[in-house]
Amino acid sequence: KQEVTQIPAALSVPEGENLVLNCSFTDSAIYNLQWFRQDPGKGLTSLLLIQSSQREQTSGRLNASLDKSSGRSTLYIAASQPGDSATYLCAPGKDPNSGYSTLTFGKGTMLLVSP
Amino acid sequence: NAGVTQTPKFRILKIGQSMTLQCAQDMNHNYMYWYRQDPGMGLKLIYYSVGAGITDKGEVPNGYNVSRSTTEDFPLRLELAAPSQTSVYFCASSYSQEGYGYTFGSGTRLTVV
Repeated sequence: KQEVTQIPAALSVPEGENLVLNCSFTDSAIYNLQWFRQDPGKGLTSLLLIQSSQREQTSGRLNASLDKSSGRSTLYIAASQPGDSATYLCAPGKDPNSGYSTLTFGKGTMLLVSP
Repeated sequence: NAGVTQTPKFRILKIGQSMTLQCAQDMNHNYMYWYRQDPGMGLKLIYYSVGAGITDKGEVPNGYNVSRSTTEDFPLRLELAAPSQTSVYFCASSYSQEGYGYTFGSGTRLTVV
């Protein structure tokens, strides 16, 4: 059974800092990995999807890396802004050929960026 | 586009009551999912569907039922509500089985008392 751990559980930084969120997973037989953002009282928004064959994926100030063999992914946020304050969840996806492809979610990292 | 729409947003149920959480998407996605999120926890998959007429159990299906009569709608039925079903329920959809285009609804906060 896939287990996903996200460290740290919470992070508070001043505006402008670069930061790294960590995700580890126990079963390296993944098809892809997604990073989501969740604002309080809202649903999740997909930020980045990395295929298992990729090493990293970039979108604006966000960069996600994947080391499938070691079961690790990181989300790098450059020049953080108060609007980045949210909970970030990591979700490796199971190979659809081995059944259904659904995501296993970590508990998330709650990020607060202060002005 | 509305995306994924969930109703109601909030609901309080008494133990033993039943209710249906509604979910509709307008993106013509074949794949739909129901998750629950307990405080401080990750999301757990309840049921999923790969297309109209096809549903299957996820990780935590006990106490729930689903149906998928159309591509757009994927209601979740709670029978005989229990306090352990107090949670936030999210419906999601994607256009591929690999998980591309994953879109979540805004959730239904359910309290069973």
